[in-house]
Order: sequence, then C-alpha cells, then structure tokens
Amino acid sequence: EPEVTQTPSHQVTQMGQEVILRCVPISNHLYFYWYRQILGQKVEFLVSFYNNEISEKSEIFDDQFSVERPDGSNFTLKIRSTKLEDSAMYFCASRVGQGFGNTIYFGEGSWLTVV
Amino acid sequence: RKEVEQDPGPFNVPEGATVAFNCTYSNSASQSFFWYRQDCRKEPKLLMSVYSSGNEDGRFTAQLNRASQYISLLIRDSKLSDSATYLCVVNMGDRGSTLGRLYFGRGTQLTVWP
Repeated sequence: EPEVTQTPSHQVTQMGQEVILRCVPISNHLYFYWYRQILGQKVEFLVSFYNNEISEKSEIFDDQFSVERPDGSNFTLKIRSTKLEDSAMYFCASRVGQGFGNTIYFGEGSWLTVV
Repeated sequence: RKEVEQDPGPFNVPEGATVAFNCTYSNSASQSFFWYRQDCRKEPKLLMSVYSSGNEDGRFTAQLNRASQYISLLIRDSKLSDSATYLCVVNMGDRGSTLGRLYFGRGTQLTVWP
C-alpha cells in the first residue's frame, strides 16, 4: 500500500535554530497538509497546500512557519526560529483530491524536541 | 471553543466486552465525520467514515445524529488489539475545510485486558 513518508523521525534542536521537516506524499496525490500534536493533546491543523500554494492555514501557522514543494515529490515544513513550545509530533498528510470519499493519509510523523 | 468533544475516558474493558464512545461537534454545517485510531506515538489511521444512515464494519458500528450533532462508535467483542486511542474527527464544511482541514477531538483511550 502506498504511504506518506517523513524524515527525520526524531529531531532534537536548540531553541532559535531552524528546522526543516521533510515529507514525500503519495505519488498521485494533489493535496498536502501538515498537522501537529503536542504530547498529550489533540491533533491540530497547520496548513494545507494545493497547486503550489497555501490553500488554508491555521492561527498556529504564523510567520515562523513556511511550506514548500521544491520538486515533484517532496513537501517540506520549515520552522525558522524554533521555540520550546514547538516541541511536538508533526504529521504530513496527503489526499488524491477533494470529495468525501477521498481519504487523507498520514505519515508516521516527525517528533521535534526543542531544548 | 471546542469544535469536537469526546468522552475523556480512559475505558478499561475485558476482552469480549462491548464499548461505546461518544462525540459531539459544534458546527452544524459540518460535512464529513470519521473515527480514527491512534496508537501510542503513532500517526492517526482511519478506522471508518461515518454516514448519516449509520454504518457497520465488522465489529465496529458508527452512528451520526445530525440534529444532535452527535457521533458514536460501538465496538463489539473487544480484542486486545483494539487497545488504542480513538479520535473523533470532523470536517467542518467551510471553504477551507473542503480542502481537507480536519478537526480532531482529544481522543478516548481504550485498554482491553485479557
């Protein structure tokens, strides 16, 4: 079964450093997302991306965050200057198209620890 | 504002038991409803979509009550492998959400013991 892959699986970074989380969505999918989950809390939407631009972003996704699809396969989330409260599991997700029947598939996540 | 609220749990049940989870959502314009399962420190995985007429998949039955803005999940004949956190998930139906913004509940933890 095709899957969304994410790297790294775990990253520890110092506060103030830049972090790039990478994702390879399922190959024929057109819609891409980042979600995050702080330990013990609910999964929260960050951003959706379609046709090489951001479709929607949440209030969490401030100027510190950016997304990019640099080539035909990768989808990245950059955090410019990490803060302690950015420590969380970051999930990339993708779906083939709009519509009720189109399932969103999640990657296994990148666990970010900011120290 | 809590868009999706669930039973806090945890639920601890013996193998073979029947267990039910409930969920309410705030936006009456919500379009799509799901139950996801999440194992510890893993990604959410779709368990089943929830349809207005209710639907069943093996031991799992989901119900939707749009008037009450209420979703339920029933698990019959619980197995040890059902131990996980069950997430109620809603697509709210505004413009952005048609492109996949999902709202997650905090989840209900289930432990099935032998």
